[in-house]
Amino acid sequence: DAGVTQSPTHLIKTRGQQVTLRCSPKSGHDTVSWYQQALGQGPQFIFQYYEEEERQRGNFPDRFSGHQFPNYSSELNVNALLLGDSALYLCASSFLDRDHGYTFGSGTRLTVV
Amino acid sequence: AQSVSQHNHHVILSEAASLELGCNYSYGGTVNLFWYVQYPGQHLQLLLKYFSGDPLVKGIKGFEAEFIKSKFSFNLRKPSVQWSDTAEYFCAVNDMNSGYSTLTFGKGTMLLVSP
Repeated sequence: DAGVTQSPTHLIKTRGQQVTLRCSPKSGHDTVSWYQQALGQGPQFIFQYYEEEERQRGNFPDRFSGHQFPNYSSELNVNALLLGDSALYLCASSFLDRDHGYTFGSGTRLTVV
Repeated sequence: AQSVSQHNHHVILSEAASLELGCNYSYGGTVNLFWYVQYPGQHLQLLLKYFSGDPLVKGIKGFEAEFIKSKFSFNLRKPSVQWSDTAEYFCAVNDMNSGYSTLTFGKGTMLLVSP
């Protein structure tokens, strides 16, 4: 059990559509980070949420947006999907910003056709 | 921007062979270093981490890593691998001066251990 729950596990979307991915952090964790893992690559940081605000953002376009709710769960939204957005999207949670005790979820596999 | 290089994309070993996976990072300041493992069909799991102190770090399942600051390296080692070590291994670094605990990952090394 990863402790971090992501849904859905798999998703197929058409170019131009929008998608929402969800993450429930490990119990006791208050910080959520999202990563994109393309095939054959390591995870790349998208953004991090703490206290319902985006604290830091990686090199991703504005089509990628997110939200954190009062219960610390989070959503990742991607608009105007491109074929290149096909990837495994990972959520990682931690307690307090500098704890470095990341727990990763199993990810959502997004395929854009 | 930071970058992390993992020298081998694929490694094939027989059981009981010794393992060393290379990792180099680009940033010259204070960093925290990590090795993660992803077993087939499972989530990323932390193997070990280095924050400060003894540069030889011991992790789970018999893995260890050595931080060599002068070489910007953090190589992962295991004296004797098992079939169950078949997985993908990722080196990651956190730039402590960034003020945030975000990670930069390498591209990963796929390890296949044959019985």
